[in-house]
Amino acid sequence: QSVLTQPPSVSGAPGQRVTISCSGSTSNIGAGFDVHWYQHLPGTAPKLLIYSDNNRPSGVPDRFSGSKSGTSAFLALTGLQAEDEGDYYCQSYDKRLSGHLVFGGGTRLTVL
Amino acid sequence: QLQLQESGPRLVKPSETLSLTCTVSGDSISSSSYYWGWVRQPPGKGLEWIGSMFSSGSTYYSPSLRGRVTISADTSKRQFSLKVTSVTAADTATYYCARSRVALLSGFAYWGQGILVTVSS
Repeated sequence: QSVLTQPPSVSGAPGQRVTISCSGSTSNIGAGFDVHWYQHLPGTAPKLLIYSDNNRPSGVPDRFSGSKSGTSAFLALTGLQAEDEGDYYCQSYDKRLSGHLVFGGGTRLTVL
Repeated sequence: QLQLQESGPRLVKPSETLSLTCTVSGDSISSSSYYWGWVRQPPGKGLEWIGSMFSSGSTYYSPSLRGRVTISADTSKRQFSLKVTSVTAADTATYYCARSRVALLSGFAYWGQGILVTVSS
């Protein structure tokens, strides 16, 4: 059971908008710790997509955006493209047990 | 351009020690102010943080693996390593080495391609 909870799957048609949620608690997201998002496409290494809640690394299209509210964070993808299909993970820090990095369970995005 | 590459045995017997090395090119482990870490992904499951090491040598480990895991560096070879003792089938996973974007809590900006390690007799 992951400390951060994500929906197992989401889907959308090309061109549409989808949102992936990441639900935490007052010991991680709700405590103000940054949330990062990764894209993990088949056969490749994970790629940092969003850092510190809502910042895009150089080279990441502005179709990807992040937000945070209370104990949850959200990743939004607009203008869905076939190449967006893959797994998406949120990551943060949890201050329990002397503190540790935590990942969400991952969400499989299917482009219909 | 920073690059990381994992290497090590792909098959480990139960109860033995899993040892992996990450070779870094394009940066220095000792002189930079970044965190170098390991993340794994069991087959069909999600990502799991194993631990991270600062350039000074300070280490941080996942509570679920603390006691079995050691991360260390050989700065002369631009390598850092992972050791997991007393492995079981549950340790079968693709293991990734990674570097933080900036500080420990800043996310992992660079990743190796990963190496699949199977624990089996």
